[in-house]
Amino acid sequence: QVQLVQSGAEVKKPGSSVKVSCKASGGTFSNNAVSWVRQAPGQGLEWMGGIIPIFGTANFAQKFQGRVRITADESTSTVYMELSSLRSEDTAVYYCARDVHFFDPWGQGTLVTVSS
Amino acid sequence: EIVLTQSPATLSLSPGERATLSCRASQSVRSYLAWYQQKPGQAPRLLIYDASNRATGTPARFSGSGSGTDFTLTISSLEPEDFVVYYCQQRSNWPWTFGQGTKVEIK
Repeated sequence: QVQLVQSGAEVKKPGSSVKVSCKASGGTFSNNAVSWVRQAPGQGLEWMGGIIPIFGTANFAQKFQGRVRITADESTSTVYMELSSLRSEDTAVYYCARDVHFFDPWGQGTLVTVSS
Repeated sequence: EIVLTQSPATLSLSPGERATLSCRASQSVRSYLAWYQQKPGQAPRLLIYDASNRATGTPARFSGSGSGTDFTLTISSLEPEDFVVYYCQQRSNWPWTFGQGTKVEIK
């Protein structure tokens, strides 16, 4: 059964960018989509966007349009999420998840801290 | 965008009691609603999809019901590990959206 393994925690300055990876372990994404969901400290879950790796096409929540880039490398079964123009409000745990219109399984999460 | 409203925000119950969690959608999502459980420091875990289908590994004490705009997650008899946070999520219309969560706490 596929597991999703994410890259490690990051600390970034305001205005910079962060790139988080999500690798399928024990399988591939096949023709499923992969989405990114974030969770600010003590808050709920927020869908950011997703990609279908075999097609390379991505969709984004309007809130993140123009600031988030989601890409996929099929050869390594890895999906990347890059968020730019970081601000303190972007401090959150970022999760990837296989998106079959509901989310299962999830990666372990990557804490991104934005601080000067 | 479809807004999901979960109630109550916090549910205080004792082990062995029945828990009833509600999720209401701002417009019909048909049966395209999922429920997730999130334990502290962990990623969410899918419990129920398409309103009433238990995901692999979900104990039988968890059940989902509803369609259209009103949905319920029921835990028939609370176990100690069930006192955590639950989220609903709709997949009827882009963008996918989540409810704000219900915390089940020990009374």
